[in-house]
Amino acid sequence: EPEVTQTPSHQVTQMGQEVILRCVPISNHLYFYWYRQILGQKVEFLVSFYNNEISEKSEIFDDQFSVERPDGSNFTLKIRSTKLEDSAMYFCASCPNSGGNEQFFGPGTRLTVL
Amino acid sequence: AQKVTQAQTEISVVEKEDVTLDCVYETRDTTYYLFWYKQPPSGELVFLIRRNSFDEQNEISGRYSWNFQKSTSSFNFTITASQVVDSAVYFCALSLIQGAQKLVFGQGTRLTINP
Repeated sequence: EPEVTQTPSHQVTQMGQEVILRCVPISNHLYFYWYRQILGQKVEFLVSFYNNEISEKSEIFDDQFSVERPDGSNFTLKIRSTKLEDSAMYFCASCPNSGGNEQFFGPGTRLTVL
Repeated sequence: AQKVTQAQTEISVVEKEDVTLDCVYETRDTTYYLFWYKQPPSGELVFLIRRNSFDEQNEISGRYSWNFQKSTSSFNFTITASQVVDSAVYFCALSLIQGAQKLVFGQGTRLTINP
């Protein structure tokens, strides 16, 4: 069964460093999302991506964040200068089309900023 | 803006008991979807169910059942004859049919089933 994959599973970085979190969505899906979950808290929407552009972003998704789909398969989230409060689990999700379909989530990347 | 409230932060029951997880949502839109996801201790998010706002029929899947009541903006989840493997954090979520269809999650309910 097709699944969303994410790498790395755990990333440790120093404050101020740039990190790139990688996701490979399910191949025929058209909508892509990043969510984050600070430890013990709820899952929060960061950004959605459709047709090679951002379709919506939350107030969390400030200028330090960017997304791209460089090669038609990978979907990346970049944090330019990490802060301690960026420590969280980051989930990628993809969806085949519009209409409220199920979003398929990847296993997550745990980001720890020291 | 949309909002999902799961008032029960933690629930602990003994195995084989029935347990209901509450979910109340807010939206001004008339068309939307509601979801339940399970997050076991391993951390992944597991899809359980999706309901659209036009379909208020209750649904049963094995030991799981869902009660959608538009009049009270609630979408409650019941586990019958709970098992230790049901221990997890359960999230209720809402998405609109229009737009980016982002999921808006509740705070989650941590369910512990004791043997």
